[in-house]
Amino acid sequence: DTGVSQDPRHKITKRGQNVTFRCDPISEHNRLYWYRQTLGQGPEFLTYFQNEAQLEKSRLLSDRFSAERPKGSFSTLEIQRTEQGDSAMYLCASSLALLYNEQFFGPGTRLTVL
Amino acid sequence: QQQVKQSPQSLIVQKGGISIINCAYENTAFDYFPWYQQFPGKGPALLIAIRPDVSEKKEGRFTISFNKSAKQFSLHIMDSQPGDSATYFCAASISRGGADGLTFGKGTHLIIQP
Repeated sequence: DTGVSQDPRHKITKRGQNVTFRCDPISEHNRLYWYRQTLGQGPEFLTYFQNEAQLEKSRLLSDRFSAERPKGSFSTLEIQRTEQGDSAMYLCASSLALLYNEQFFGPGTRLTVL
Repeated sequence: QQQVKQSPQSLIVQKGGISIINCAYENTAFDYFPWYQQFPGKGPALLIAIRPDVSEKKEGRFTISFNKSAKQFSLHIMDSQPGDSATYFCAASISRGGADGLTFGKGTHLIIQP
């Protein structure tokens, strides 16, 4: 399978715990995006990397959220001190650096905070 | 401020009929308009996309119509089939520079009745 992959697919955690999600983009794609999707809503853009550079992070929901892409390949999204309101689907997408960036999404990580 | 407004929220169409979903945007800097299809528990899948230099794009049974002056675009699904039952999202982005994520509508839950 050469599509975007995400791990884990499901995560249940207790309030106050830290969680980390991983995304592996399509191999030749140099752009990587993170989104959050809550029930009944469209995905909400969080942050974006081109290669290893994080070019947009002002949309991260709070300072508890952070993302990295250390070698320009896979990326991780970390949420510290999780809250019940963080329960959502976290989606990763990747694209090539073309004029019109077609973004291809992974299956998502479903986070449940108890 | 919701920058992409999508309607209807839900839609029921008979098998073989035409499904029509509409979106309106506010930001005139948007220059890329994709549609995504999402099944329960899955990530969004890119269906078809249009740029503002054309008024219509057709791929198989799916057609996007684009009205730049009205800042509106729509998805038409011809000969709708039960397998088309899913949630559809319109989106928009500013692609020049590529440093912006997609802004999504709230989605349309489409049911095709056999």
